[in-house]
Amino acid sequence: DQQVKQNSPSLSVQEGRISILNCDYTNSMFDYFLWYKKYPAEGPTFLISISSIKDKNEDGRFTVFLNKSAKHLSLHIVPSQPGDSAVYFCAASDGRNAGGTSYGKLTFGQGTILTVHP
Amino acid sequence: DADVTQTPRNRITKTGKRIMLECSQTKGHDRMYWYRQDPGLGLRLIYYSFDVKDINKGEISDGYSVSRQAQAKFSLSLESAIPNQTALYFCATSGLGDTGELFFGEGSRLTVL
Repeated sequence: DQQVKQNSPSLSVQEGRISILNCDYTNSMFDYFLWYKKYPAEGPTFLISISSIKDKNEDGRFTVFLNKSAKHLSLHIVPSQPGDSAVYFCAASDGRNAGGTSYGKLTFGQGTILTVHP
Repeated sequence: DADVTQTPRNRITKTGKRIMLECSQTKGHDRMYWYRQDPGLGLRLIYYSFDVKDINKGEISDGYSVSRQAQAKFSLSLESAIPNQTALYFCATSGLGDTGELFFGEGSRLTVL
């Protein structure tokens, strides 16, 4: 049972345009959500996160939106650059807000391969 | 040097062999994790450890064991490897900070023939 789903295996975007990566979850106990980026032959690296008490978090070209009622989050990259081409993983955790500490037990989606064409 | 180092980076072995993947970190984090990546399945948690005396099973622990030798070292063992354990394995660490961020190693690609 996949509790975090990224239903688009791949996405192709032109340089300078917006990339929108989507993620759905089923576990209502999830209260913290993260996006990771992974280049070939490297480990995933943290990109941006959002707590369930917010609906938007922005960091430069990256914005994450959370719709709790729909159990859906999305990552917007504007403008997209060729260097953004990578696999993007959505991840979620529960219990974080209870103690204010990071638990690290993340449930990951399947990943979306983003290709940004020059 | 990488903050989270995994060895070996690549390994090919045969069914039934014992394999150990090692992870060491210089981030000073108490929490360490082993994840497995498979195509179409994302990353799945195998085992995690919140300190040297703490070991916990993750989502897919069957067929695996771990050892937390020190704060900085966390190893994953496959006692008798089987072909469906062919995957990319990642070690990760996290601190007690507020970001929820995991720091991953570069991965160990294991092929079981």
